[in-house]
Amino acid sequence: LAKTTQPISMDSYEGQEVNITCSHNNIATNDYITWYQQFPSQGPRFIIQGYKTKVTNEVASLFIPADRKSSTLSLPRVSLSDTAVYYCLVGSDTGRRALTFGSGTRLQVQP
Amino acid sequence: NAGVTQTPKFQVLKTGQSMTLQCAQDMNHEYMSWYRQDPGMGLRLIHYSVGAGITDQGEVPNGYNVSRSTTEDFPLRLLSAAPSQTSVYFCASSSGTGVLLPLHFGNGTRLTVT
Repeated sequence: LAKTTQPISMDSYEGQEVNITCSHNNIATNDYITWYQQFPSQGPRFIIQGYKTKVTNEVASLFIPADRKSSTLSLPRVSLSDTAVYYCLVGSDTGRRALTFGSGTRLQVQP
Repeated sequence: NAGVTQTPKFQVLKTGQSMTLQCAQDMNHEYMSWYRQDPGMGLRLIHYSVGAGITDQGEVPNGYNVSRSTTEDFPLRLLSAAPSQTSVYFCASSSGTGVLLPLHFGNGTRLTVT
């Protein structure tokens, strides 16, 4: 299983761009990188997924370098409602899927 | 379409009691899993299933049993509750294809063992 490492916490202000990096040195060839967001008293919610290079959707971008040993979640112009815990998950669909989350990054957005 | 439904939302047990946490999904997902989340910590995988009749252990399986008799249901059983099992439990599911699809989570069961 690919182990992930993220910063424990980050602080930002409204309107700023936030970049959260996840390290996954032993990522396997078939593994995808997925990011989730979790608010208090709720289950995690899917944000974005990628395999290599860059992926963008309506809420975030995901940057993955060529060696795929890390990835960066980019949140443009954060608001107070982006205050949450963000998890990086690395895994694949091949064989039995034991999808293990890291400890997550707690993002606090200040006014 | 309710998604992933967990019951109960809250539960208090005494040490040694047994109970079953229910999880049901109506999306015909093949993959289902149970996580526990302790205060200030991430999600740790307890058990998972890639289809009816197939289950496997995750990172922290001790003290928990699961079964998968149908595609829809994946109950988690605590045979003899211990205070160390006080936690929030999340059930998740996803469809099984060649591409890793997002996990859909329930809203959790908050369990306290006294």
